[in-house]
Amino acid sequence: GAGVSQSPSNKVTEKGKDVELRCDPISGHTALYWYRQSLGQGLEFLIYFQGNSAPDKSGLPSDRFSAERTGGSVSTLTIQRTQQEDSAVYLCASSFSGLAGGGETQYFGPGTRLLVL
Amino acid sequence: QKEVEQNSGPLSVPEGAIASLNCTYSDRGSQSFFWYRQYSGKSPELIMSIYSNGDKEDGRFTAQLNKASQYVSLLIRDSQPSDSATYLCAVNLGGGADGLTFGKGTHLIIQP
Repeated sequence: GAGVSQSPSNKVTEKGKDVELRCDPISGHTALYWYRQSLGQGLEFLIYFQGNSAPDKSGLPSDRFSAERTGGSVSTLTIQRTQQEDSAVYLCASSFSGLAGGGETQYFGPGTRLLVL
Repeated sequence: QKEVEQNSGPLSVPEGAIASLNCTYSDRGSQSFFWYRQYSGKSPELIMSIYSNGDKEDGRFTAQLNKASQYVSLLIRDSQPSDSATYLCAVNLGGGADGLTFGKGTHLIIQP
């Protein structure tokens, strides 16, 4: 596609429910990143995929968060048993290969605005 | 713990003047540095990337990097009202396996 796409654009859920957020990277980009931006906070790095593999999951805030990527393209971020503190904008980015010493430009999608009531 | 620090502002600059945005980072091993612009309610978009000490110019924008001082800056010449946004400094340690560490951003206001 022309850019990174994310769905849904907005999600309102009740505390305790599970949510699934989707990211479709730029066509041909093998590296994919998830970030979270809370109100008044900077962007917080969550997880990175090189192809279908996530070398380091330590950035995920808790074990309620999980992410997967299949087919080297679409990724889903799942939050189980959502809490009010999970309310934030979840941003996905992609880069061409993720292998250039971290120097590649990351292109961001429009984000998913999650509100947990 | 990798940290990136920015003055949150707001930084108010008259139209046509030079806006100077500053950023310091804690990890001396950092290799790649980026400036993103984020309009309210929108996602970040890349303005400049810089990897070597010195200046890098692109149109009205100049990024400056000083690795010895662990300092990176962005200058915006001939500031326009459309430059009003939050500017995010982002740093990558390198190696390809890390995401970007972002500062909290500087809110820039260009006064007509």
